Amino acid sequence: EDQVTQSPEALRLQEGESSSLNCSYTVSGLRGLFWYRQDPGKGPEFLFTLYSAGEEKEKERLKATLTKKESFLHITAPKPEDSATYLCAVRSPKRSNDYKLSFGAGTTVTVRA
Amino acid sequence: SAVISQKPSRDICQRGTSLTIQCQVDSQVTMMFWYRQQPGQSLTLIATANQGSEATYESGFVIDKFPISRPNLTFSTLTVSNMSPEDSSIYLCSVGRDRERNTDTQYFGPGTRLTVL
Repeated sequence: EDQVTQSPEALRLQEGESSSLNCSYTVSGLRGLFWYRQDPGKGPEFLFTLYSAGEEKEKERLKATLTKKESFLHITAPKPEDSATYLCAVRSPKRSNDYKLSFGAGTTVTVRA
Repeated sequence: SAVISQKPSRDICQRGTSLTIQCQVDSQVTMMFWYRQQPGQSLTLIATANQGSEATYESGFVIDKFPISRPNLTFSTLTVSNMSPEDSSIYLCSVGRDRERNTDTQYFGPGTRLTVL
């Protein structure tokens, strides 16, 4: 069974204090690793998709990287508006039309001004 | 990305009743998904809904409890039947395999917050 573990559970940062979130996974046949941002009371907002080890994607203060066992979401010089829960999900299809995403529990980031 | 809306955004229901949640997308999509997010937890897939075929349910979820309709490529409904307080959750629809962009990325709606008394 696919396992997705995110750490830490919670992260409190001072504005401008860069840090990284970890997503480790155990799957058979990774066909995509996805990062989402979720604000309280809202649906997840798509951030990045990574497909192969060594791949990197950036968007504003966020950068996602992927290895064969884990992914990191780096937050550079965060601002209070970066406060949210960040979710990691993997797709590891068991059949040809299997598009199920398995989610980690998330990391809740709080950035103080 | 696709624009997805859900109705209702929230509801408070009595035990034993049923609620139907609607999901509308602004473009034609091959696959739609229904997830549940219980309080303080992450997302769990309930079922995959393809237009023109029966929904595919994940382990632990059954059609009698969560019947799904998918009448066309832009709309789906999820019904939560014979509700109990344990059904109190946020229910989210997502879309994937956009016909135009042919992407595996799933985009999520705003969610329906359900409270069962």
